[in-house]
Amino acid sequence: DAGVIQSPRHEVTEMGQEVTLRCKPISGHNSLFWYRQTMMRGLELLIYFNNNVPIDDSGMPEDRFSAKMPNASFSTLKIQPSEPRDSAVYFCASSRAGGSYEQYFGPGTRLTVT
Amino acid sequence: GESVGLHLPTLSVQEGDNSIINCAYSNSASDYFIWYKQESGKGPQFIIDIRSNMDKRQGQRVTVLLNKTVKHLSLQIAATQPGDSAVYFCAEVGAGSYQLTFGKGTKLSVIP
Repeated sequence: DAGVIQSPRHEVTEMGQEVTLRCKPISGHNSLFWYRQTMMRGLELLIYFNNNVPIDDSGMPEDRFSAKMPNASFSTLKIQPSEPRDSAVYFCASSRAGGSYEQYFGPGTRLTVT
Repeated sequence: GESVGLHLPTLSVQEGDNSIINCAYSNSASDYFIWYKQESGKGPQFIIDIRSNMDKRQGQRVTVLLNKTVKHLSLQIAATQPGDSAVYFCAEVGAGSYQLTFGKGTKLSVIP
């Protein structure tokens, strides 16, 4: 079992550029979560999908952030335009069913915006 | 995925000793609690969970205790090993919710 796969593992970009983070959930899991981790705010839920449908995006910071899940095996988190304050580690997690609490996390993408 | 290390509470424990990591949760309506372990460069990993109708649950070398009266959760690790060095997070889930609310984390350092 490959676990949750995220790419890239590290991303360095300049302010104003578009950033796309990618996630492949565990096969058979139908819930997917995007989190952001920073020193100041800890782990924060950004958005939650169930069966490829966004259920709750209230954690998305602002309109510069968007997320999609075109199919059960792929999701993206896009930041356009990126800002230095977006620098963080972004995690994707998946679970077996809507409301399942045992979420399996990917290794994360460390984003640095200069 | 590096965890947030510099500003976290830190617990240093001698190898072989028992560790106790504490967590105060905020929502008295939370009915499910989880402990996660995050090693450097990795995502959080599920350790053990407990429902609000229980006050204790044991796993392999780990025990979680729940005190709903004071909204306190603890994780006990028996015979702590160097591989236990990590940041530990508690997370709570409200009744009928899917959303994990994570605590700030505690860094456990095991002294060989």
